[in-house]
Amino acid sequence: DVKVTQSSRYLVKRTGEKVFLECVQDMDHENMFWYRQDPGLGLRLIYFSYDVKMKEKGDIPEGYSVSREKKERFSLILESASTNQTSMYLCASRASSGTQYFGPGTRLLVL
Amino acid sequence: RKEVEQDPGPFNVPEGATVAFNCTYSNSASQSFFWYRQDCRKEPKLLMSVYSSGNEDGRFTAQLNRASQYISLLIRDSKLSDSATYLCVVNPPQLVFGTGTRLLVSP
Repeated sequence: DVKVTQSSRYLVKRTGEKVFLECVQDMDHENMFWYRQDPGLGLRLIYFSYDVKMKEKGDIPEGYSVSREKKERFSLILESASTNQTSMYLCASRASSGTQYFGPGTRLLVL
Repeated sequence: RKEVEQDPGPFNVPEGATVAFNCTYSNSASQSFFWYRQDCRKEPKLLMSVYSSGNEDGRFTAQLNRASQYISLLIRDSKLSDSATYLCVVNPPQLVFGTGTRLLVSP
């Protein structure tokens, strides 16, 4: 059974803090993605990775960075959290068929 | 023009009704199409892929119209459990998600 897990379901951080969101998949997929989802804006791609140590910017990479040291793990980093980064963050990995499998999401609140 | 556009709804229908959603896309080179379902406060999950010839899965029928660049989802005999947001997804270059159409099925 396909599984994508995210390190936290809910997080509360303060402005300026460094935030790490971790994502792990157990399907040996090469492609992994980080999205944020906001009301009325849908899912927006932040970063994606085709392979270990490879990363590509998505549509809204500003204020974020990523790390892919191992195939199964893709981390999203907010170097200095800001209130406009309050959102739902969704990690996904993609099968060769094109189907994306999502993690349960992390609701981040930045105060 | 947005890459993928959907009517946000909500569509309010009674149990047993038939309801249809459309989704338009702007990239004529798009090759893969999907419908995802997202329940409140949950992650999106694949409902069905959309094939060129159209395809059916139980009460759900998906169709693709390349000439007019839209895909559709038809739900027959709506159940209360069908209440969710339905996301249209188009690929390539990456998967592009629509903002979703909210469906509310009432008793």
